[in-house]
Amino acid sequence: DGGITQSPKYLFRKEGQNVTLSCEQNLNHDAMYWYRQDPGQGLRLIYYSQIVNDFQKGDIAEGYSVSREKKESFPLTVTSAQKNPTAFYLCASSIKPSNQPQHFGDGTRLSIL
Amino acid sequence: GENVEQHPSTLSVQEGDSAVIKCTYSDSASNYFPWYKQELGKRPQLIIDIRSNVGEKKDQRIAVTLNKTAKHFSLHITETQPEDSAVYFCAAGTRNNDMRFGAGTRLTVKP
Repeated sequence: DGGITQSPKYLFRKEGQNVTLSCEQNLNHDAMYWYRQDPGQGLRLIYYSQIVNDFQKGDIAEGYSVSREKKESFPLTVTSAQKNPTAFYLCASSIKPSNQPQHFGDGTRLSIL
Repeated sequence: GENVEQHPSTLSVQEGDSAVIKCTYSDSASNYFPWYKQELGKRPQLIIDIRSNVGEKKDQRIAVTLNKTAKHFSLHITETQPEDSAVYFCAAGTRNNDMRFGAGTRLTVKP
C-alpha cells in the first residue's frame, strides 16, 4: 500500500541508544497505529493516535514513545528502557473510528548490535 | 478489553483442498472483523472483512462467517493454491476501542 511509508527498512540499535522509526501516510487518515510483531506471533499494539496531538497507550507501551504533531506523521521512538527491542515494527492507519480497515506500511526490522 | 483467540496456529493442506481458520472474541461490542494475509517479510494486507450485521460474506474463493451469539468467526478458503501460503490474522474492532489481532495462522499449501 503506497499510501504508508515506513523508514528505515532495517535499523540497528546500540545498547543505551534511543532510535526513532518513521511512519508517514498520505491517505488523509485520522487514526494511526504502531504494532510490534515477534517471530511466530501476532500483532501487539504499542501506541495509537486518533487525532493530531493526542495518542493512547496500547498493550505494550513501556519503553516506547510517540508523537503526533502532524496528521501525516506518527514517529515511534524505541528508548533504551526497552530491553528487548528486536522485532518487526508495523505502522498502520485508518479513517476514524477503529472499526475500519487498517492499511499497513512495509515495516521496519529493528535489531540490537 | 477485547481478547481475540485464533486457531489453529499452523495449518497444512494439499493444493485444491479447503482451509478453515477460526477466531473467537470476548467483547460483545465488537462489530468489525477483518482478515489479513501476510507473506513472509511483507505487510499484512486486508483480504476480506465482515460487519456484525452480516452473517456471511464471500469473495471468490474466500468466505467469512460470523456467529455473534457464540462470538466466533471463521475464514474459509476453497480450492487452495500454493500462492495462498502465508500467515493469516483475524481481528476484532469496535467503534470506540482499538482493534485487537489474533496470534495468526501459518497456512502451507502443498503442491
